[in-house]
Amino acid sequence: NAGVMQNPRHLVRRRGQEARLRCSPMKGHSHVYWYRQLPEEGLKFMVYLQKENIIDESGMPKERFSAEFPKEGPSILRIQQVVRGDSAAYFCASSILAGDPNEQFFGPGTRLTVL
Amino acid sequence: AQTVTQSQPEMSVQEAETVTLSCTYDTSESDYYLFWYKQPPSRQMILVIRQEAYKQQNATENRFSVNFQKAAKSFSLKISDSQLGDAAMYFCAYRLDSGGGADGLTFGKGTHLIIQP
Repeated sequence: NAGVMQNPRHLVRRRGQEARLRCSPMKGHSHVYWYRQLPEEGLKFMVYLQKENIIDESGMPKERFSAEFPKEGPSILRIQQVVRGDSAAYFCASSILAGDPNEQFFGPGTRLTVL
Repeated sequence: AQTVTQSQPEMSVQEAETVTLSCTYDTSESDYYLFWYKQPPSRQMILVIRQEAYKQQNATENRFSVNFQKAAKSFSLKISDSQLGDAAMYFCAYRLDSGGGADGLTFGKGTHLIIQP
């Protein structure tokens, strides 16, 4: 059973461009979480999605950031008009069920660098 | 809002010795989970150990054990017989148990563990 997959692993964008980060959850998992890790910091929760629904986006910046998890295909985190402060590692996690137990399995992350 | 504090930015221990990493958290909730994650240089987040707040017994996983003090809101990680492969960033994390919902994890800033050979 393949783990959580994220691509690309490294992404370089110039200021003002768009960044699209993809996350394929583990097989059978229908819950996806996105986290951001700034340098020298812990991970910060951004958004929690189930198939075709955003459940909790309380950690998502109000502008330029959006996320989706369509019925078919991977979850996408989209950052429009990137700025240098968006440079970070973005981690996706997936889980099989809500409630107890609900272990989140993490992907390897996408390191975004904004020039 | 919940917060997680790791007061030790860096810890160093001799190989085969025991080390304890500290974590405190702040919450007004009574039902929650606590976790320790390990992040080696590869940056992959690896779950080390988990504790349910309703359980009084401290969780143990081989060389890793926790000291969970619910009243003090403290959740320390003890690593016995430290090995070179234990070198990594260690993050303490909290998750609310909202009864059927699934909530995001709240992480501390991490402790960088160095193993001296």
